[in-house]
Amino acid sequence: GQSLEQPSEVTAVEGAIVQINCTYQTSGFYGLSWYQQHDGGAPTFLSYNALDGLEETGRFSSFLSRSDSYGYLLLQELQMKDSASYFCAVRDPGNTPLVFGKGTRLSVIA
Amino acid sequence: GAVVSQHPSRVICKSGTSVKIECRSLDFQATTMFWYRQFPKQSLMLMATSNEGSKATYEQGVEKDKFLINHASLTLSTLTVTSAHPEDSSFYICSAPGTSATYEQYFGPGTRLTVT
Repeated sequence: GQSLEQPSEVTAVEGAIVQINCTYQTSGFYGLSWYQQHDGGAPTFLSYNALDGLEETGRFSSFLSRSDSYGYLLLQELQMKDSASYFCAVRDPGNTPLVFGKGTRLSVIA
Repeated sequence: GAVVSQHPSRVICKSGTSVKIECRSLDFQATTMFWYRQFPKQSLMLMATSNEGSKATYEQGVEKDKFLINHASLTLSTLTVTSAHPEDSSFYICSAPGTSATYEQYFGPGTRLTVT
C-alpha cells in the first residue's frame, strides 16, 4: 500500500517562506506530486519530482530525496492567495489514480 | 492543459432520491477516469476507477450498488448516487490521467452534494 504523512496545519506571514514536508511509504515509487486546493475548489497541479533534487517553478519549488522517502514543497514570497490546502501525492505508472496525503492547510497572515 | 468539466457543480436532494453527476473530458479522450470523495477538512479519497467499455473498479468499502458508475464514451463518465442519505453529503471530484511525463492528473471542478 501507499501512505503519505504531512503536517496538518502551517501558518506563515505574508512575504515569508514556508516549507511543507511530506514523507511517504510506497511499495514502488514513481514520483511525488504536489497539488494545491482552495476551499470549495478542485486540486490544481503544482509540481512533480521523479528524481532527487529541487524543481523550481516560479515562487514554488519542490524537493525530493528518494533515499529518505521524503519531499517538500517550498513557497516563497508568500501571498494571501496562497492560503489553501496543499497535498502531496503518489501514483503508480500508467492510468492509475493518485493517492493523496491528508493535506496541509496553509494560512498566510498579514 | 487538458480540461475536465463536471455537472452539476452543486446539488441539493432529498433523502432517498438519486443524483447523477457527469464528468466530461472536453479536449481529450479519457479511457480511464477516477472518482474521489472529499469530506470537509479531509483529503481526497478514491472511490472508484471508471473504465470505458468495462466495469468500474471500486475501492474497498465503497458500495458499487449505491454508487453506480458508467463510462459511456471516451469523454464521459457518470456517477449516480442512488438512494442518497445525509451521510452521502460530500464533495465529489472526478479526474482523468494526463499523458505527460509529469504524471499530472486533470481534475473536474467538483460537485457539492447536499442530502437533506
